[in-house]
Amino acid sequence: DTEVTQTPKHLVMGMTNKKSLKCEQHMGHRAMYWYKQKAKKPPELMFVYSYEKLSINESVPSRFSPECPNSSLLNLHLHALQPEDSALYLCASSQGLAGGAPGKLFFGEGSRLTVL
Amino acid sequence: GIQVEQSPPDLILQEGANSTLRCNFSDSVNNLQWFHQNPWGQLINLFYIPSGTKQNGRLSATTVATERYSLLYISSSQTTDSGVYFCAVEIYRNTGGFKTIFGAGTRLFVKA
Repeated sequence: DTEVTQTPKHLVMGMTNKKSLKCEQHMGHRAMYWYKQKAKKPPELMFVYSYEKLSINESVPSRFSPECPNSSLLNLHLHALQPEDSALYLCASSQGLAGGAPGKLFFGEGSRLTVL
Repeated sequence: GIQVEQSPPDLILQEGANSTLRCNFSDSVNNLQWFHQNPWGQLINLFYIPSGTKQNGRLSATTVATERYSLLYISSSQTTDSGVYFCAVEIYRNTGGFKTIFGAGTRLFVKA
């Protein structure tokens, strides 16, 4: 069983909808991540939170808005998405090592998003 | 930026066979991880291996950082080994912080 839990597992939304993806971990990790994965492609980094602060935004469009309410939770708010945003969205966490290196990544099962 | 190349891109094995997957990277990395993504999308961390050799059951991995490659060995393959194997390298960004970059993956199918 994964120790990173993502909800919902599947989401279908229209281009005018507002929805959120949620991620939770209880491993005491201080770094959390959002990745996007298109079919038959590797995961691509979107955002990194370190100690609840946004540390990396990989030039992601503003229709994706991350939020880290506390050290265990990570949200991704979605608004005015396009059909090309349909993908598997993966959350990950890591302990965070000395010097700021992330350490071993643990992934959730992902949220499969379809934008109509 | 750094290039992470995995080979072969696709691999079909008969159950019980052994295989070696390779990951080459074009620049120095802080660390390297191997993942298995099952057909349902779950990414499982197999190894966190900046250098040296590690073993976990039928799987083992070797990273030779000075020569910029890592190998993943699968012995006595089983149908449940099917899926995509990703190599991911951890690099330091010029703008600060670390980033993990994935290779394109090796897609493995094990036939019963």
